[in-house]
Amino acid sequence: DIQMTQSPSSLSASVGDRVTITCRASQGINSWLTWYQQTPEKAPKSLIFGASTLQSGVPSRFSGSGSGTEFTLTISSLQPEDFATYYCQQYHSYPLTFGGGTKVEIK
Amino acid sequence: EVQLVESGGDLVQPGGSLRLSCAASGFTFSNYWMHWVRQAPGKGLVWLSRVNGDGSDTVYADSVKGRFTISRDNAKNTVYLQMNSLRAEDTAVYYCVRSTVGFSYGDFWGQGTLVTVSS
Repeated sequence: DIQMTQSPSSLSASVGDRVTITCRASQGINSWLTWYQQTPEKAPKSLIFGASTLQSGVPSRFSGSGSGTEFTLTISSLQPEDFATYYCQQYHSYPLTFGGGTKVEIK
Repeated sequence: EVQLVESGGDLVQPGGSLRLSCAASGFTFSNYWMHWVRQAPGKGLVWLSRVNGDGSDTVYADSVKGRFTISRDNAKNTVYLQMNSLRAEDTAVYYCVRSTVGFSYGDFWGQGTLVTVSS
């Protein structure tokens, strides 16, 4: 199975801050990586697929990069609605696997 | 408007069975793969199973293989998860997830249904 490791597991930031979350795969997955956002008591929402392609309707302050084993999700200017938990997931091969999540909290 | 509405979650005793349903609307159901993903209370996301568009091909996580069965009825626009031999560690919110054929990332998620396994 491909292990996905996210860092940090949590972070505190202020509105307007630039935030970067890292996701590492235990083996190469090309660009078969997606990012989700989950707010409390809600279902996850797709943000990015193919490592860097923004899902329709997702604000342009979100961006993704990377390929192979190292990936990043960047929020260029954190907004109040962005305080949430973010998960990466590989879809290179089954079983599909998720990172452990990064909780973005208000400083 | 795309909708995925899960149902069937309940309190069940260890060793018991439950069938979850997910009713889809707002898109051509048979053109999409469907998945089940779960999230234990306060924990992360865990993928469980996928079924292809016509129901002929399924894949499972090792943790549920042999206990859970995914299926779909395209005439009813519904995907199911039959869960047998339930354990306390199966307690979670279960999400129904849609993905494009050939690309297993969830572009739309249902709101989830809670399964609690306890005596």
